[in-house]
Amino acid sequence: AQSVAQPEDQVNVAEGNPLTVKCTYSVSGNPYLFWYVQYPNRGLQFLLKYITGDNLVKGSYGFEAEFNKSQTSFHLKKPSALVSDSALYFCAVSDYKLSFGAGTTVTVRA
Amino acid sequence: GAVVSQHPSWVICKSGTSVKIECRSLDFQATTMFWYRQFPKQSLMLMATSNEGSKATYEQGVEKDKFLINHASLTLSTLTVTSAHPEDSSFYICSARRSRASGNNEQFFGPGTRLTVL
Repeated sequence: AQSVAQPEDQVNVAEGNPLTVKCTYSVSGNPYLFWYVQYPNRGLQFLLKYITGDNLVKGSYGFEAEFNKSQTSFHLKKPSALVSDSALYFCAVSDYKLSFGAGTTVTVRA
Repeated sequence: GAVVSQHPSWVICKSGTSVKIECRSLDFQATTMFWYRQFPKQSLMLMATSNEGSKATYEQGVEKDKFLINHASLTLSTLTVTSAHPEDSSFYICSARRSRASGNNEQFFGPGTRLTVL
């Protein structure tokens, strides 16, 4: 069975500081990993995905994620956070169906 | 490309009535659509997987007679909440994916439908 874990319910950072949202995965075979962001009362917006290739994946809105096979992690990062990055972030793994993590609420204070 | 729409975006209904939610892939053909349910500040829970032209596959614990899913075309799937009750109030999100043969497991999400049952 495939699964992802987001160990932090909430992440708080000051604007301009680096932002990291953690995700670890458990799969049999090659992982297809995704990050999505959700703003209040909205659907999910795709940020980035890892299928194969470079371990550092660049995505939308200045986000990137590093795939680490030995640590089974796929942490989301942004070098300089904005207040507008405040939202709910989901990590997900897919073979055919998507399995989502519990979500991490990011709050960026001005 | 890869836009998915949902209609309505929000709906309020009386207890005991039925509500239909539409999910459309606007610029691609979706052989598979997924329906999720999300409670406030929680993750998405997969309700069912719908393949065009066949019956939906429901996740464990989801009542198939309560949540009727139809995927009659490659661009449209509908979720009907029958005899809705207040506990059915939730945020319902659909997603769509292209042919599995494309080798890409990516799903494209609709904007969600907020259902409130009074």
